[in-house]
Amino acid sequence: RKEVEQDPGPFNVPEGATVAFNCTYSNSASQSFFWYRQDCRKEPKLLMSVYSSGNEDGRFTAQLNRASQYISLLIRDSKLSDSATYLCVVNRANFGNEKLTFGTGTRLTIIP
Amino acid sequence: DTAVSQTPKYLVTQMGNDKSIKCEQNLGHDTMYWYKQDSKKFLKIMFSYNNKELIINETVPNRFSPKSPDKAHLNLHINSLELGDSAVYFCASRTSGENWGETQYFGPGTRLLVL
Repeated sequence: RKEVEQDPGPFNVPEGATVAFNCTYSNSASQSFFWYRQDCRKEPKLLMSVYSSGNEDGRFTAQLNRASQYISLLIRDSKLSDSATYLCVVNRANFGNEKLTFGTGTRLTIIP
Repeated sequence: DTAVSQTPKYLVTQMGNDKSIKCEQNLGHDTMYWYKQDSKKFLKIMFSYNNKELIINETVPNRFSPKSPDKAHLNLHINSLELGDSAVYFCASRTSGENWGETQYFGPGTRLLVL
């Protein structure tokens, strides 16, 4: 079983729609959680960290459920510029041995 | 102004050759990483260095040898290149400390093609 699992998609969604991605992780010792975004032929960039209480950044909302080992990302009022691959990332952080584990990514295409 | 830079951006070479990829960060970070992203887009950590000291080595073949001359640089040397080494190699850096939520900043990637 992969440490971080995501639905690879692709998700083809009309502009203005709401889209949700899910991710599960297998290591219950994981310490911190992130969503990264990767555009085609570019490097991954941090989209947002994910906190236990849930957090929002503009049109983006991230949720974490530690009991179910589940992370989600919700994008409201999607824009053409949201088209990218979204990577669920989990940090197994023992002091001095921090390690980010990436999911395979979910590809999102916003259709005009 | 580039925070994490890598050279070269593209590398096309023959099987069996030895090649190096260089990475530099001007963010003052203590920790640097090498990741490999294969043709299926799966991004996997290879190595991490903290203050020039190897911290993580994720069962990478010993044909791959990272070298950190100082904490702003982490280079990757690959001996006897194989077809399966073709991938995009990303360097990344972060500040270290107890705040494990610190962002990792990625370089633009080096696209390696082994023929």
